[in-house]
Amino acid sequence: AQSVAQPEDQVNVAEGNPLTVKCTYSVSGNPYLFWYVQYPNRGLQFLLKYITGDNLVKGSYGFEAEFNKSQTSFHLKKPSALVSDSALYFCAVRPDTGGFKTIFGAGTRLFVKA
Amino acid sequence: ETGVTQSPTHLIKTRGQQVTLRCSSQSGHNTVSWYQQALGQGPQFIFQYYREEENGRGNFPPRFSGLQFPNYSSELNVNALELDDSALYLCASSLAASGGETQYFGPGTRLLVL
Repeated sequence: AQSVAQPEDQVNVAEGNPLTVKCTYSVSGNPYLFWYVQYPNRGLQFLLKYITGDNLVKGSYGFEAEFNKSQTSFHLKKPSALVSDSALYFCAVRPDTGGFKTIFGAGTRLFVKA
Repeated sequence: ETGVTQSPTHLIKTRGQQVTLRCSSQSGHNTVSWYQQALGQGPQFIFQYYREEENGRGNFPPRFSGLQFPNYSSELNVNALELDDSALYLCASSLAASGGETQYFGPGTRLLVL
């Protein structure tokens, strides 16, 4: 079965330190990969996506993500965390065949301490 | 903020009732997808509409149905409500139905079934 795993329910990091939010997936073919962020009582906001090409993708608010095909991972990173980055982050995968279903991970709560 | 709007913001229904949720897509977008996000979980894909036709569906029963109108706005209808239908319902619009397109989410409708 196709799935997306975010192995950490919560990530804690101090402001100014680098952060990583992990995502691995089990989807055949060459799927499209996305990261979204959700603030309390809000919808999801798009951060970045990987379609093809360079394995390092840059997105909004200084976030970037590294695609690793052999490890089927798409980890979200930021060199220097801000308190305002504290939110819920979702990794999402859309298969390149068989319809337009998007599969989301369960989410990782990022807490950045001042 | 995206240009995707949803109404109502909150709704309370009783088991067995029917509900209609509405979504207005971002200008120029012809594709709308609906998701159910239960508390503490990632969004689950319900279905997608492209130019007024359903072109993808997740693992939801037929009592979940939808419509897309000529102006690309959309409705999600749920019949015979069950307690487990309590969730945040998100709609997302995109420029096209192709897999790599970014989806832009609305703020959601929070449904409580008593």
